[in-house]
Amino acid sequence: DAGVIQSPRHEVTEMGQEVTLRCKPISGHNSLFWYRQTMMRGLELLIYFNNNVPIDDSGMPEDRFSAKMPNASFSTLKIQPSEPRDSAVYFCASKWGELNTEAFFGQGTRLTVV
Amino acid sequence: DQQVKQNSPSLSVQEGRISILNCDYTNSMFDYFLWYKKYPAEGPTFLISISSIKDKNEDGRFTVFLNKSAKHLSLHIVPSQPGDSAVYFCAAHSGGSNYKLTFGKGTLLTVNP
Repeated sequence: DAGVIQSPRHEVTEMGQEVTLRCKPISGHNSLFWYRQTMMRGLELLIYFNNNVPIDDSGMPEDRFSAKMPNASFSTLKIQPSEPRDSAVYFCASKWGELNTEAFFGQGTRLTVV
Repeated sequence: DQQVKQNSPSLSVQEGRISILNCDYTNSMFDYFLWYKKYPAEGPTFLISISSIKDKNEDGRFTVFLNKSAKHLSLHIVPSQPGDSAVYFCAAHSGGSNYKLTFGKGTLLTVNP
């Protein structure tokens, strides 16, 4: 398996534009997570899905952020409109099963909003 | 409110010596703990884990120790190698049907040749 695949790897956009980040989890994994990494806050969990259903979106910063998982092999994180403070590295991760298994991370998308 | 804390932002050690990375947590419901390693421009990769029913888990050069009463865990790397230079994240899981992993802010380890 190629691992968790995220696209794009880098995104530079202007303030106010819509940004869509994409993730393909590892085949067979049934949980998917979106994390954001910043210097100030480290790795923050934004939202996670189990069996394609959003379980906890309490980490989503505001209504400008939305995430979908239309099927087991694809998820998107959308920011509309984007702001400079959204600049960060966004990671997608997936895992199999419940409880004590590790999550596997993608390489991340570095987002810069100017 | 940070439930998983890594109080040392950075650590520098000599090659061949022991590296000790520390992590403290506040949530007594955490029952599974993981360490991830992250190189620049890559995603975190899983390194080693420990269940709350154990106090030690060893995998090659890496050993994780858990002190539940102190709500403290540590990662020991012996001997340290230059390739170990990376950011190390401590993470915790609270069990039940909650799949959420809570991460610390990470510690940058530099192993000098």
